[in-house]
Amino acid sequence: QKEVEQNSGPLSVPEGAIASLNCTYSDRGSQSFFWYRQYSGKSPELIMFIYSNGDKEDGRFTAQLNKASQYVSLLIRDSQPSDSATYLCAVNYGGSNYKLTFGKGTLLTVNP
Amino acid sequence: ETGVTQTPRHLVMGMTNKKSLKCEQHLGHNAMYWYKQSAKKPLELMFVYNFKEQTENNSVPSRFSPECPNSSHLFLHLHTLQPEDSALYLCASSQEVGQGSSPLHFGNGTRLTVT
Repeated sequence: QKEVEQNSGPLSVPEGAIASLNCTYSDRGSQSFFWYRQYSGKSPELIMFIYSNGDKEDGRFTAQLNKASQYVSLLIRDSQPSDSATYLCAVNYGGSNYKLTFGKGTLLTVNP
Repeated sequence: ETGVTQTPRHLVMGMTNKKSLKCEQHLGHNAMYWYKQSAKKPLELMFVYNFKEQTENNSVPSRFSPECPNSSHLFLHLHTLQPEDSALYLCASSQEVGQGSSPLHFGNGTRLTVT
């Protein structure tokens, strides 16, 4: 069974610090990787996606992918209280149908 | 109106009731999905429709019955549910199934409570 593992947290960081969120996945055939943010009581919204090994930066967010080690991470620089949310890692295992397998999510709290 | 809209936002139903959840997307997408989100569990894919055709039924009990009359509308018909079916039901859409780069856009969900 394909799995996506995340530390459930809560991960607590002070305002202005770097928050590091990690995710591991079980299937080496995984093709694309997504990070979603979900505020309490709201629906998930896409933060970033990454396909190739290495880093991908978008503003304060950096996604890092290491396919050999089967992990993907999300770094949030200059963390703000508004970043407090649950972050969901999702992995597309490919095939003819587009299916995402989600992790349980990591709760991030940024303290002012 | 833009995005993915779900109604109702909240639903309380008894185990013998029949109800339906509705989802509408205004993004011009061709694929629509139903997900279930329970506390302490990952999002679970239930059904996938691509160009109105069902392409995935993820071993969902028959008390959940999806309907996709066109690429913009998706329904989830509910009957004789169990208390363990209480959860947040999320609808999502994407450009097309099979495009790994096409992200999902989620609706705000229906919070379902089965009594």
